[in-house]
Amino acid sequence: RKEVEQDPGPFNVPEGATVAFNCTYSNSASQSFFWYRQDCRKEPKLLMSVYSSGNEDGRFTAQLNRASQYISLLIRDSKLSDSATYLCVVKGYTGNQFYFGTGTSLTVIP
Amino acid sequence: ETGVTQTPRHLVMGMTNKKSLKCEQHLGHNAMYWYKQSAKKPLELMFVYSLEERVENNSVPSRFSPECPNSSHLFLHLHTLQPEDSALYLCASSPLLAGSPLYGYTFGSGTRLTVV
Repeated sequence: RKEVEQDPGPFNVPEGATVAFNCTYSNSASQSFFWYRQDCRKEPKLLMSVYSSGNEDGRFTAQLNRASQYISLLIRDSKLSDSATYLCVVKGYTGNQFYFGTGTSLTVIP
Repeated sequence: ETGVTQTPRHLVMGMTNKKSLKCEQHLGHNAMYWYKQSAKKPLELMFVYSLEERVENNSVPSRFSPECPNSSHLFLHLHTLQPEDSALYLCASSPLLAGSPLYGYTFGSGTRLTVV
């Protein structure tokens, strides 16, 4: 079973739409959770950490559900510049291991 | 510009060549990583160095040989690679993870490697 699973998409949404991505993880002892954004042919960049109580950064809201072992990312009022691949990342309980999902591709259409 | 610099950005090499990828970070991080990113696959962790000591080696073929001479520099030495090794190789760094659980990685821009 994969450590982290994401729906690869693609998600094609119109500008201004709200879109949500989910990600599940297999190890209940996982400690930290992140969403990364990766533009085409570029390196991943940290979008936001995911806190237990949920957190918001502008149009982006991240949620963690430990009981069901999933995290989510909600993007409101989508912009063209939001088009990218969104990677779910989970840090294991021990060691220096981060586990990456395959990424969810988002295209925002004018 | 990220705090992690990788060179070269692109590399084409034959299967009999020997080349090295270089990664440099000036963020004061103590952990450095090599990842491989192939099309439609998740990032695959290759090697982890913490305080210049290799702490993880995820069953990577011996044709990949890492070197971490100090906490700011990381190399990946390549020899007799195969075409299936063509991929984007990403270096990353992070603070020592104990005490910084909410900090993720900072990635370099990657080296796009093509083996012919």
